[in-house]
Amino acid sequence: DTGVSQDPRHKITKRGQNVTFRCDPISEHNRLYWYRQTLGQGPEFLTYFQNEAQLEKSRLLSDRFSAERPKGSFSTLEIQRTEQGDSAMYLCASSLESSSYEQYFGPGTRLTVT
Amino acid sequence: RKEVEQDPGPFNVPEGATVAFNCTYSNSASQSFFWYRQDCRKEPKLLMSVYSSGNEDGRFTAQLNRASQYISLLIRDSKLSDSATYLCVVRVRTNAGKSTFGDGTTLTVKP
Repeated sequence: DTGVSQDPRHKITKRGQNVTFRCDPISEHNRLYWYRQTLGQGPEFLTYFQNEAQLEKSRLLSDRFSAERPKGSFSTLEIQRTEQGDSAMYLCASSLESSSYEQYFGPGTRLTVT
Repeated sequence: RKEVEQDPGPFNVPEGATVAFNCTYSNSASQSFFWYRQDCRKEPKLLMSVYSSGNEDGRFTAQLNRASQYISLLIRDSKLSDSATYLCVVRVRTNAGKSTFGDGTTLTVKP
């Protein structure tokens, strides 16, 4: 399967714990995006990378959130000191470089903070 | 006010019906427009891009009205398999990486 993959698919954690998610984009895609989706809402943009450079971050991405793409391939999204409000589906997408190119989404990581 | 607004529905229609979804966007600098489909508990998938002249893909027709900042999706001859949430997506050229999604319109097609 050469699509976007995410790991883990589900994560249950206690409030205050740190969590890290991984995204592997489609291999030839130089753009990688992170979104967050809660029930009944559309995906909300968090951040995106072009190769290893993080080009934009949403104001939704508080100081507790950090994303990296160290070698321009896979990316990690870390949430420190998780809160119940962080419970959501975290979606990763990748695309070629251009605003007109399709963004291909991974299956998401569902985070539940108890 | 949200940047991209959609009627949440739900739209419940019989098989074979024609149904239309609307979407409005607030950023006049928006340049690229898309409709995505999202099945329950699955990731969004591109249904079709929306071009200025309007475009059609089988039973699906998308229209763009830049003056009114309005996008539409028409589904003809609805199938049971069309049941899903349809997400309107907008991108601004100068902000080419970021996509702004509407909250989606839910369609249920019944036999």
